[in-house]
Amino acid sequence: QKEVEQDPGPLSVPEGAIVSLNCTYSNSAFQYFMWYRQYSRKGPELLMYTYSSGNKEDGRFTAQVDKSSKYISLFIRDSQPSDSATYLCAMSRGGSQGNLIFGKGTKLSVKP
Amino acid sequence: NAGVMQNPRHLVRRRGQEARLRCSPMKGHSHVYWYRQLPEEGLKFMVYLQKENIIDESGMPKERFSAEFPKEGPSILRIQQVVRGDSAAYFCASSPTRTETNTEAFFGQGTRLTVV
Repeated sequence: QKEVEQDPGPLSVPEGAIVSLNCTYSNSAFQYFMWYRQYSRKGPELLMYTYSSGNKEDGRFTAQVDKSSKYISLFIRDSQPSDSATYLCAMSRGGSQGNLIFGKGTKLSVKP
Repeated sequence: NAGVMQNPRHLVRRRGQEARLRCSPMKGHSHVYWYRQLPEEGLKFMVYLQKENIIDESGMPKERFSAEFPKEGPSILRIQQVVRGDSAAYFCASSPTRTETNTEAFFGQGTRLTVV
């Protein structure tokens, strides 16, 4: 079983739709959870950063972490064509083991 | 505040040559991570460095690859005697000094290495 699982998609939605992206993980030691957006041939851009369980909202983006189920989600409200990108979940144990373990990424396309 | 700077953006090397990839972290960041992204694959951790120290190199191939982060200057990822399988995008990330937030990593634009 991979440490982090993410459906690669692709996912295609109409403009204005609510998008739900998810990852599951197997290592209960993960404490830090992140979502990155990566446009083609660019570096990953940090969208959301969450410590432990709970919700975090930033504009149209909401991140949820459920440690009991080892499941994290990213919701995008009122999706825009500019949101079309690959979304990567990442997680870490922190401290001297601060390296990130990434999912493979979900490719999202928002159609106008 | 400039972001994480990587150079070169594109690098072409012939098999057997050496590749040197450079990374300057964001101002105020003392943690540097290197990741590799193969086509259709996710980002894979390679090495985690602080100034003059390698903290975790569990993701580095055992041979031909090395990394450093000297007291002065950028972090360097060095690949000796490159092979075609080394062709990938190499990303550097940096994170703040404070231990409790050292996982909040910001990425550079990457160096795309092509071995011919």
